[in-house]
Amino acid sequence: GAVVSQHPSWVICKSGTSVKIECRSLDFQATTMFWYRQFPKQSLMLMATSNEGSKATYEQGVEKDKFLINHASLTLSTLTVTSAHPEDSSFYICSATGLAGDDEDEQFFGPGTRLTVL
Amino acid sequence: GESVGLHLPTLSVQEGDNSIINCAYSNSASDYFIWYKQESGKGPQFIIDIRSNMDKRQGQRVTVLLNKTVKHLSLQIAATQPGDSAVYFCAERSYGNNRLAFGKGNQVVVIP
Repeated sequence: GAVVSQHPSWVICKSGTSVKIECRSLDFQATTMFWYRQFPKQSLMLMATSNEGSKATYEQGVEKDKFLINHASLTLSTLTVTSAHPEDSSFYICSATGLAGDDEDEQFFGPGTRLTVL
Repeated sequence: GESVGLHLPTLSVQEGDNSIINCAYSNSASDYFIWYKQESGKGPQFIIDIRSNMDKRQGQRVTVLLNKTVKHLSLQIAATQPGDSAVYFCAERSYGNNRLAFGKGNQVVVIP
């Protein structure tokens, strides 16, 4: 099956710093990547959808200047949490779709990145 | 931010018994549904999907049932094993929209 990786798997940073999380599709070209945030014991909440080479589409209530998304290639998308604060501490998960497998619409999920802001 | 004291609905099941997890959805335009399994600290793992032109689909040890009349989805796991302990989410998508909407999640605890 298609594999999506994330780096780092966990990160601890000080309040006010910026953190970049990478999402890579390892064996297929991802035309679309999605970024989700998940708080403990809660569901996945979609933050934004990014298509390669174009600006990301953010969900209502998600600040685009705080959560910068870049999808510069068909195998890499990055999420940068700018000026992180403790309330940004969460589990960030990406997924990717593209021409992989039998269903070109299936979303393949990464393993997630645990962000802790002190 | 994080919510304190939030509890997931939990299903405790004896190893070897069958499990049934339920999900209600609200969007009548949804035409594609997926069940995911999420283990602690990991990303969601695809289990099984079903399109709205079907009411039942079977996989290995799992069956998904869809009742569009009452907007209800269920996942049945046969002969539940300790490795099935996880949180299970349903997700839905509507035609022409590639965004998934996730349900609240159900914790399954398998008792050996």
